[in-house]
Amino acid sequence: DAGVIQSPRHEVTEMGQEVTLRCKPISGHDYLFWYRQTMMRGLELLIYFNNNVPIDDSGMPEDRFSAKMPNASFSTLKIQPSEPRDSAVYFCASSSGVKAANEQFFGPGTRLTVL
Amino acid sequence: KNQVEQSPQSLIILEGKNCTLQCNYTVSPFSNLRWYKQDTGRGPVSLTIMTFSENTKSNGRYTATLDADTKQSSLHITASQLSDSASYICVVRDKLIFGTGTRLQVFP
Repeated sequence: DAGVIQSPRHEVTEMGQEVTLRCKPISGHDYLFWYRQTMMRGLELLIYFNNNVPIDDSGMPEDRFSAKMPNASFSTLKIQPSEPRDSAVYFCASSSGVKAANEQFFGPGTRLTVL
Repeated sequence: KNQVEQSPQSLIILEGKNCTLQCNYTVSPFSNLRWYKQDTGRGPVSLTIMTFSENTKSNGRYTATLDADTKQSSLHITASQLSDSASYICVVRDKLIFGTGTRLQVFP
């Protein structure tokens, strides 16, 4: 298995532009998580899905952020409009089940820079 | 307030030396504590998971301990190698609370 796949790996955009991050989870995993990582705050859970349905989006910082999972093999995280403070590394992770013991497998991340 | 605090923030050691990283938490309810290793430019990878009843668990040169009474965990790295240079992140569930990590640098 190729693991969790994220694209793009790097994104540089200007303030006000729309940004779309993409994720392909591990085949067969039914949970998908989006995280944001910064030096100051570490890893923060933004939202997670179960069987393509958003379960908890309480970590989404504001209405500028939205996430979708149209099918079991694809998810997007969109920021519109983007702001410099959105600059961070965004990780997608997937797991088989959401029990506390179930390991999450992380993708390589997308480094977003908003100028 | 649910929190996970890690120390030190950063650590530099020489190859072959041992080191210990600390994780203190105030998360409730507690299900387990997991240590991740995150190489630069990569996503975190699980090293070990500790449940309430476990005190010590080893994974090669990595040994994790858990004291559920004091809500403390440690990750001990024995005979460090250059490839151990990474960030080490402590995560406590059931609420998925992440620490900010310890950045370890191993020099030859």
